[in-house]
Amino acid sequence: DGGITQSPKYLFRKEGQNVTLSCEQNLNHDAMYWYRQDPGQGLRLIYYSHIVNDFQKGDIAEGYSVSREKKESFPLTVTSAQKNPTAFYLCASTPGQGGGYTFGSGTRLTVV
Amino acid sequence: KNEVEQSPQNLTAQEGEFITINCSYSVGISALHWLQQHPGGGIVSLFMLSSGKKKHGRLIATINIQEKHSSLHITASHPRDSAVYICVAYSGGGADGLTFGKGTHLIIQP
Repeated sequence: DGGITQSPKYLFRKEGQNVTLSCEQNLNHDAMYWYRQDPGQGLRLIYYSHIVNDFQKGDIAEGYSVSREKKESFPLTVTSAQKNPTAFYLCASTPGQGGGYTFGSGTRLTVV
Repeated sequence: KNEVEQSPQNLTAQEGEFITINCSYSVGISALHWLQQHPGGGIVSLFMLSSGKKKHGRLIATINIQEKHSSLHITASHPRDSAVYICVAYSGGGADGLTFGKGTHLIIQP
């Protein structure tokens, strides 16, 4: 079955290290998105990509970077510049404007 | 910009009770998602609906486009239903067209 795979489910890193979160989809969706969730808050958009080799900053892009070299992959790197990286990260995709969204299961990152 | 409000924020009930979680939004939408987030964080997509009602097992989701309101019902609730339930409204426009509710934290006690 088609879907989005985020791995790993839990990730631990030491402060100051960059870490890359994986998001892979086999739905042939053009658009992909990364969100961050903090306790008591709704999910917020970090970065998005509507087409291969193109991506845009969302509402809270500082301290993050992405790439979109392949249609099916949209990895998110949490850099050492991100002040509070410990959070839950969710990836989503959609075929395009108005299309139904598919959500990954998420990755919980803990930086110690 | 769309605003999505969920109620209640927290809900504790006894096993077997009928549960209702509400979601209201301020701007007309094309579709609405209900997500379930279990302790530990994993997200499961429950429903996407744009009109009427959908049912899956003990879960029922309804939406009233005119009233800008959706409800998620759980019949014969069970402790394994304990989770955070998140309403997500799609209204188009902007980067992703999505507005997420803050979630309803449900605890079902045995």
